[in-house]
Amino acid sequence: DTEVTQTPKHLVMGMTNKKSLKCEQHMGHRAMYWYKQKAKKPPELMFVYSYEKLSINESVPSRFSPECPNSSLLNLHLHALQPEDSALYLCASSHPGVLYGYTFGSGTRLTVV
Amino acid sequence: DAKTTQPPSMDCAEGRAANLPCNHSTISGNEYVYWYRQIHSQGPQYIIHGLKNNETNEMASLIITEDRKSSTLILPHATLRDTAVYYCIVRVAKTSYDKVIFGPGTSLSVIP
Repeated sequence: DTEVTQTPKHLVMGMTNKKSLKCEQHMGHRAMYWYKQKAKKPPELMFVYSYEKLSINESVPSRFSPECPNSSLLNLHLHALQPEDSALYLCASSHPGVLYGYTFGSGTRLTVV
Repeated sequence: DAKTTQPPSMDCAEGRAANLPCNHSTISGNEYVYWYRQIHSQGPQYIIHGLKNNETNEMASLIITEDRKSSTLILPHATLRDTAVYYCIVRVAKTSYDKVIFGPGTSLSVIP
């Protein structure tokens, strides 16, 4: 299995809702990442997990809450989002410290109404 | 990580070689050059990476100048499916984690 699977592919949520994005990989990668991408912009790094521990938080607002329950799974919990949080949310994984590329999922298209 | 500069857009005729340049004049000795591409509405895809030698794989070739201040990604026979945004990234791999920071990239259009 050489894929990163993200669910759901599309999500519409209200500003008072709580929802979660899920990312799964079975490549044995021990580093996992969340990126946010607005239209016509490059992906922006949000969080990095290494060996299931949060290694980097790029000053992301607390309404985004990451979780890495095990080495294969990465979640992003969403609460009280704003319309400007609407974006494509991308998950990626890699071997930490090994000079291979990242494997990205195809993303979750989030719309906040 | 060193900063990179790429042209915002390029066109290439189908079947011809696409040569995508990248400047990274502040690159340090232990930084690698990576290339990714992102086809519309998909996640980025790793293409190739290198340190100082030229590299080739089934997707592309990477040519790095001797002073390492610039590089060129070559798609030898571009097809319409190669239309995408191409990102050149320079980074050092850490021992436990590393992070990829994307610049604006080059939007390549392959023309029939």
